[in-house]
Amino acid sequence: TQLLEQSPQFLSIQEGENLTVYCNSSSVFSSLQWYRQEPGEGPVLLVTVVTGGEVKKLKRLTFQFGDARKDSSLHITAAQPGDTGLYLCAGASGYSTLTFGKGTMLLVSP
Amino acid sequence: DAGVIQSPRHEVTEMGQEVTLRCKPISGHDYLFWYRQTMMRGLELLIYFNNNVPIDDSGMPEDRFSAKMPNASFSTLKIQPSEPRDSAVYFCASSNLRAGELFFGEGSRLTVL
Repeated sequence: TQLLEQSPQFLSIQEGENLTVYCNSSSVFSSLQWYRQEPGEGPVLLVTVVTGGEVKKLKRLTFQFGDARKDSSLHITAAQPGDTGLYLCAGASGYSTLTFGKGTMLLVSP
Repeated sequence: DAGVIQSPRHEVTEMGQEVTLRCKPISGHDYLFWYRQTMMRGLELLIYFNNNVPIDDSGMPEDRFSAKMPNASFSTLKIQPSEPRDSAVYFCASSNLRAGELFFGEGSRLTVL
């Protein structure tokens, strides 16, 4: 069974701070997706990374896929209250469906 | 275009009652997934369909759970009889690929008393 461990589980910060959340596994994934889920809604895809070492930027969000394709990180610069939500990583491998981590709950206070 | 549509958004029922959750996927998507989300276990895949055919139901907790997809635009997840431990948010998602971008509905929050 492939597992994705996300850390930290919960993060509470002030507006303007920077933060990094992590997604780690002992398994290799062909691609990895990051989703954000706002309260009362379903997860929404932010980005997909497919190449080891790949870095993708989405405004203030920077996503990195590990060289060995076993881990990923999400860095947010100058966090805003609108960034509040549950951040989920999900890995794809072989003929399996996506494997989801349990997520990092981020709370950004004004 | 309309996204994935789920109903009901909220359901409160008593233990032993039958619960039916409904989902309309995005038109043209060949894959439909049912997930359950709880604080303790996160997002769990219950079952998924490809072209209306159930492919993997190994995540269905027990025989009390069943899912159908009679056509490309409709799926149901049924729990009979319901138990308090079934309380969770149930999501339906659809996709063009088995492990591609998932488009989730807004979820059905189930509370079993």
